This record gives sequence, structure tokens and C-alpha cells, in this order.
Amino acid sequence: AQSVTQLGSHVSVSEGALVLLRCNYSSSVPPYLFWYVQYPNQGLQLLLKYTSAATLVKGINGFEAEFKKSETSFHLTKPSAHMSDAAEYFCAVSERQNQGGKLIFGQGTELSVKP
Amino acid sequence: EADIYQTPRYLVIGTGKKITLECSQTMGHDKMYWYQQDPGMELHLIHYSYGVNSTEKGDLSSESTVSRIRTEHFPLTLESARPSHTSQYLCASSELGGSSSYEQYFGPGTRLTVT
Repeated sequence: AQSVTQLGSHVSVSEGALVLLRCNYSSSVPPYLFWYVQYPNQGLQLLLKYTSAATLVKGINGFEAEFKKSETSFHLTKPSAHMSDAAEYFCAVSERQNQGGKLIFGQGTELSVKP
Repeated sequence: EADIYQTPRYLVIGTGKKITLECSQTMGHDKMYWYQQDPGMELHLIHYSYGVNSTEKGDLSSESTVSRIRTEHFPLTLESARPSHTSQYLCASSELGGSSSYEQYFGPGTRLTVT
């Protein structure tokens, strides 16, 4: 069965510092991968997605993620954190042959940004 | 721009009441989903639908029921609310077919409190 592991339930960085949120997946075939962001009392918003085109994926708000098949990872990065980046981040995976389109979510990482 | 709506946004209700959480999308998506999310926790799929008159139970057992009579509408009903149902409920939708079929669009959520 597919699974997604996000290392670190809480990450704290200073404003202007590098943001690195880790995500590892288990899948028998190359999957589709997603990062979503959730602000307090809101739904999830798609940051970026990997669907086999380029291994380095750029998303909204300056975020990007790199698909590394050998490491089964899809870590999310941003060169310089902004206070508005404070939120909950979820990594999700879907197998290509899963015609149902169901996503499996990680447990989430809460990002705090210190002034 | 994703157009998926949930009402009410917040609901406080007493034990034993029947409630219906509304979810509507204007994108013509065939697939719709309901997730349950406790504060600071991961999302758990409780129901999904591939189209009109199609409903399936998700990975997390739930006492709620759903219906899909119209493409755009996917309401969730609890016949008799209990304090254990207190949670946030998120509705999502996605297209059918192609790589975009795996990208889910989320509503803002309904935060339910059962007293």
C-alpha cells in the first residue's frame, strides 16, 4: 500500500532563511506527487505537483520541489521564508494506475516563521 | 480558479441532531471527495464519488452518509450527531481523465462541534 511520510511535524525558521520540508513516499510505480498548503480555518491549496514532466517542479509563492526517484523523496523548498508562509503543509501521492484518483496524504508539517 | 463551496463554515450542534453538510462545485468535475481532519492532523478520506449515483466509502470508517444526485452537489449527512463527530470536514473535487484528474481542489471546510 502507498504511504507518505513527512519528517518533522513542526519546522521553525527565521524570516529570510531557507525552508526545507521533507516528504518521502512508498510506491511500486512512479507516482504523481503533490504539495498542498493549508492556512488556519481554510481548505487546502495546491502549491505544486509532479506528473513526470520535469523532476524539478516550481509552484506558487516561490516554492519548488524536486522528485528524486532513487531516494523516493519529494522535498519542498523555498530560498527565503516570509512571515506569510506560516501554515500547515501536506505532501500527497497518487499512483498512476489509480484511476480513482485517490490521494494519500502525509501527516502534515506545521511551518513557523520567526521575525 | 477553483470554485468549490461548503456550507456552513462553522456549526455547533447538540447531540442527537441530524445535520447535513453541503458541498457544491461549479467546475463540472466528476470526482468528489469528503475528508475528515482533526486539528493539526492528517486528512482521512471518508467518502468519494466518481459521478452521479456513484458513492463509495473511504479509508476511514464513518457513520456519515453521502449522496450524489447531481454532478455539482455532494452533501454529507449525519443522522444523529455525537461528540465524537466533532472535527473539520473538507470537500474536494477533481476531473476525470488525464494527469489533471489526480489534482484535487478543496473547499474551505466545515468545522463541526457537537456538544
